[in-house]
Amino acid sequence: AQSVTQPDIHITVSEGASLELRCNYSYGATPYLFWYVQSPGQGLQLLLKYFSGDTLVQGIKGFEAEFKRSQSSFNLRKPSVHWSDAAEYFCAVGRGNGMRFGAGTRLTVKP
Amino acid sequence: ETGVTQTPRHLVMGMTNKKSLKCEQHLGHNAMYWYKQSAKKPLELMFVYSLEERVENNSVPSRFSPECPNSSHLFLHLHTLQPEDSALYLCASSPGGARADTQYFGPGTRLTVL
Repeated sequence: AQSVTQPDIHITVSEGASLELRCNYSYGATPYLFWYVQSPGQGLQLLLKYFSGDTLVQGIKGFEAEFKRSQSSFNLRKPSVHWSDAAEYFCAVGRGNGMRFGAGTRLTVKP
Repeated sequence: ETGVTQTPRHLVMGMTNKKSLKCEQHLGHNAMYWYKQSAKKPLELMFVYSLEERVENNSVPSRFSPECPNSSHLFLHLHTLQPEDSALYLCASSPGGARADTQYFGPGTRLTVL
């Protein structure tokens, strides 16, 4: 069965520091992988996605993610966090009505 | 993101009321979804429509009734809800049918059931 695990419920980083949010998945075939971001009171905005090809994916707002099949991971990274990055981040795996979301990681940015 | 709009953004209703949530997508997509997002729980897929046909109903109570009159509009009709139904209800759409790829989300409707 498909599943997504985001091990960190809450992460706090200082503005300007680097960020890595973890995502592990379980999927029977080659997965489609996504990262979404949700600001308070808003819907989910797509940051990036991986379907095939280059395992390092670039997204919007300076984010990137790396697909590692051997580790069943799709971690999200950003070299320098901005205060506006404070939000909830969701990893998802699958396709269409088979998509599964992780429980989310809340990011707090310290000044 | 203005590709998927939802109205109202906030709704407070009593347990005996009947109300409807509306979703409209301006992306030319063929599939639309309703999700429920409760505090401290993963997103729960409620309903999926592909080309206006319902393709999935994830054991959602009958007090939630979806309607998809065309590929651009999706409604969620609500009646005799319970307080535990209070949540953020998100609509999403994707291209090419229910098994296609990326889903695009609306801003959600924050529902409070008194």
